[in-house]
Amino acid sequence: QVQLQESGPGLVKPSGTLSLTCHVSGDSISNYYWTWIRQPPGKELEWIGYAHYSGISNYNPSLKSRLTLSIDRSKNQLSLNLRSVTAADTAMYYCARGGTFDTSGYSLDYWGQGTLVTVSA
Amino acid sequence: DIQLTQSPSFLSASVGDRVSITCRASQGLGSYLAWYQQKPGKAPQLLIYLASTLQSGVPSRFSGSGSGTEFTLTISSLQPEDFAIYYCQQVNTYPRTFGQGTKVEIK
Repeated sequence: QVQLQESGPGLVKPSGTLSLTCHVSGDSISNYYWTWIRQPPGKELEWIGYAHYSGISNYNPSLKSRLTLSIDRSKNQLSLNLRSVTAADTAMYYCARGGTFDTSGYSLDYWGQGTLVTVSA
Repeated sequence: DIQLTQSPSFLSASVGDRVSITCRASQGLGSYLAWYQQKPGKAPQLLIYLASTLQSGVPSRFSGSGSGTEFTLTISSLQPEDFAIYYCQQVNTYPRTFGQGTKVEIK
């Protein structure tokens, strides 16, 4: 059974860097499109971007200038770094597995439970 | 970016009712659309992918249809555990985008 677990600080100061990791168990991090999504409290979902073990990545243009996504195959985990954060970055952050066409038509078939990050002084 | 508009945004229904949620896209998606269910305090769960393919383990009362710019999620007989928020997501183009959500509540 594939499981994803996000971890990281729950509080980040404005202008600081938001850093999260997502550990994947039950599956190799090779293949698939390991994706981050966020959801501000009471609001809709926002796709952040994905990283692939091959080195390919794709970022939401609205975040691209501040964002780095990476994969550590040795630890079977993915990481998110978002720089120069503001209160607008306060959200529940989820990691998810983006499937292939054959497994789930590129949809997000496994999700972590999410981690709430608040940006505040 | 492709905009997805769900209707209605809020739906009040009774157990046993047949309910449908529509997702309209600002550009054609082919069949590259997914539906998710999110319960309070939980992560979304994949229900339907490629517009009409039921994800493994999802009850058969859920079905999806449509292509191009208009898609529908139907629950044939609403059960107590189905009261949740439903989101569509397009996986045709980057950046991926989600609809604003449809909240299904008990009448």
